[in-house]
Amino acid sequence: GENVEQHPSTLSVQEGDSAVIKCTYSDSASNYFPWYKQELGKGPQLIIDIRSNVGEKKDQRIAVTLNKTAKHFSLHITETQPEDSAVYFCAAILYGQNFVFGPGTRLSVLP
Amino acid sequence: KAGVTQTPRYLIKTRGQQVTLSCSPISGHRSVSWYQQTPGQGLQFLFEYFSETQRNKGNFPGRFSGRQFSNSRSEMNVSTLELGDSALYLCASSLDGQGSNEQFFGPGTRLTVL
Repeated sequence: GENVEQHPSTLSVQEGDSAVIKCTYSDSASNYFPWYKQELGKGPQLIIDIRSNVGEKKDQRIAVTLNKTAKHFSLHITETQPEDSAVYFCAAILYGQNFVFGPGTRLSVLP
Repeated sequence: KAGVTQTPRYLIKTRGQQVTLSCSPISGHRSVSWYQQTPGQGLQFLFEYFSETQRNKGNFPGRFSGRQFSNSRSEMNVSTLELGDSALYLCASSLDGQGSNEQFFGPGTRLTVL
């Protein structure tokens, strides 16, 4: 089955700097890759996603890139703000199968 | 449009008891998935229901079960609770759950087993 690795497990950046979180997946047939943000006491919130027929997607300060050959995808957050501090999860999905999540990255944005 | 709702939000039980958690999906969503989230294991998939049928199942013992009603609302049940069942239980809904549609999570039910 699918296996998703995520790095780093913790990340601290200064406010205004960029943050990058990388995930690798094992099943080359996976075709949907969402990213979730989970704040303390809340459920994960979908922040951006990408499908296998697209290499990059951007939404304001957040972007996701996908490299199907290398089987990895990354979340990029620019101009980080304190409210970006949270745990971020990536997932890889094979059509018809359940979501497989990475272990999460705790991002801290230092003022 | 209302989001995914879960009840109760917090629950305290003792070992050996059973518990039932409820999830109401986003209106129009027919797929409901359940996850267990713990600090050590992350987000672990329990099962997925679509049109009142369990369609996918994760690697959890038979003490964990669920069902879905005709209005797409879902419940999960854990029998003979163990200390290790303490976790945040999340449900997520999507249009058809076939992996090509976004999945939206509820706030979770925090279960503590004493």
